[in-house]
Amino acid sequence: GAVVSQHPSRVICKSGTSVKIECRSLDFQATTMFWYRQFPKKSLMLMATSNEGSKATYEQGVEKDKFLINHASLTLSTLTVTSAHPEDSSFYICSAAPGREGPDEQFFGPGTRLTVL
Amino acid sequence: AQTVTQSQPEMSVQEAETVTLSCTYDTSESNYYLFWYKQPPSRQMILVIRQEAYKQQNATENRFSVNFQKAAKSFSLKISDSQLGDTAMYFCAFDTSGTYKYIFGTGTRLKVLA
Repeated sequence: GAVVSQHPSRVICKSGTSVKIECRSLDFQATTMFWYRQFPKKSLMLMATSNEGSKATYEQGVEKDKFLINHASLTLSTLTVTSAHPEDSSFYICSAAPGREGPDEQFFGPGTRLTVL
Repeated sequence: AQTVTQSQPEMSVQEAETVTLSCTYDTSESNYYLFWYKQPPSRQMILVIRQEAYKQQNATENRFSVNFQKAAKSFSLKISDSQLGDTAMYFCAFDTSGTYKYIFGTGTRLKVLA
């Protein structure tokens, strides 16, 4: 149980285009979902926290107009990179928290590698 | 603000040997969770072990155990009988209870040698 999927696993796009990444919790409802960015050989950097039906909370320094997050349901969150540029190339990871009683555990998706040409 | 420090960027260990990865953190919170995650070359984050701060007993999961020193704010991971499949990046993470918001350390790259 507790599986999180991400689609696509990798995407290549041209500079100036927008890219949407989906994150789904397959066998549980996620009250909260998180989006991370990871540079090569670096740690995970939290970009934003989203709760179903409300606006995402962005971390300091993350442009909310560039990285649009929508948490449309308890099993789906999307990250749209708008007007992508080469510096947006990175590995993006989502995670989902069921919010049930017990340890605060997040379940991670397999990640999406974005390459902007 | 909470911080998590992993002072060993890279480590190596011979297969079947034991290795300890260190993690220290700083917080003024009294109720929190600590985690060790493994990220193999596939990049999938895998939970290795977790510890509730209010529990004095160190967590153990098969070959993986932690040494949790609350007063010293230290949370090290011991891997016994290391296997080639343990080769990965290991991240220590902190979460204030109820927030579900993780703060990750910078990671330790572990290589298990045959």
